[in-house]
Amino acid sequence: AQRVTQPEKLLSVFKGAPVELKCNYSYSGSPELFWYVQYSRQRLQLLLRHISRESIKGFTADLNKGETSFHLKKPFAQEEDSAMYYCAPYFSANAGGTSYGKLTFGQGTILTVHP
Amino acid sequence: DAGVIQSPRHEVTEMGQEVTLRCKPISGHDYLFWYRQTMMRGLELLIYFNNNVPIDDSGMPEDRFSAKMPNASFSTLKIQPSEPRDSAVYFCASSLAPGRAFFGQGTRLTVV
Repeated sequence: AQRVTQPEKLLSVFKGAPVELKCNYSYSGSPELFWYVQYSRQRLQLLLRHISRESIKGFTADLNKGETSFHLKKPFAQEEDSAMYYCAPYFSANAGGTSYGKLTFGQGTILTVHP
Repeated sequence: DAGVIQSPRHEVTEMGQEVTLRCKPISGHDYLFWYRQTMMRGLELLIYFNNNVPIDDSGMPEDRFSAKMPNASFSTLKIQPSEPRDSAVYFCASSLAPGRAFFGQGTRLTVV
């Protein structure tokens, strides 16, 4: 079965400290993986995608197929990084012989960066 | 483009009443998703459509929940009858590129 797990519901760090938000998935195929972020009073929005191997706002995420993980990392956290973060695997699903995309989300991790 | 538009932003209703949540996706997007967000369960996928056709409704919790997409620019999520445990924030999202979803601001539903 397709499943995504974010083991930490809450994560607190001090400004300038490294931060790592964990994400593990289970899937028989190779999903595309995304991280979404929801800042206070803002819409949920895409942060980054694994296929682009990009760094957004100092965050990076590496797909580890062996460990089926896609952890989000930032070397020096900032107060403005405080938000809810969701790991989101995009699974291909077949229905009636046609392939469709199914975007699911983990339970989310609330990151608080203290001054 | 104003993005994904949801209405109402807040809804307070009494147990047993019918609730209808509305969504206008971004023009041209062929996927539409309905999610429910709670502290306990995070963001759950309820149902999604492709080109107005429901593809997977396995996340719909009960028969009390139903969703329709009569055309490419409108979708509804209906709860009838509503119960207090349905209280949550309901999000609609649309996408064109796989995985790159654009979310509405959500509807905060409170059932008393």
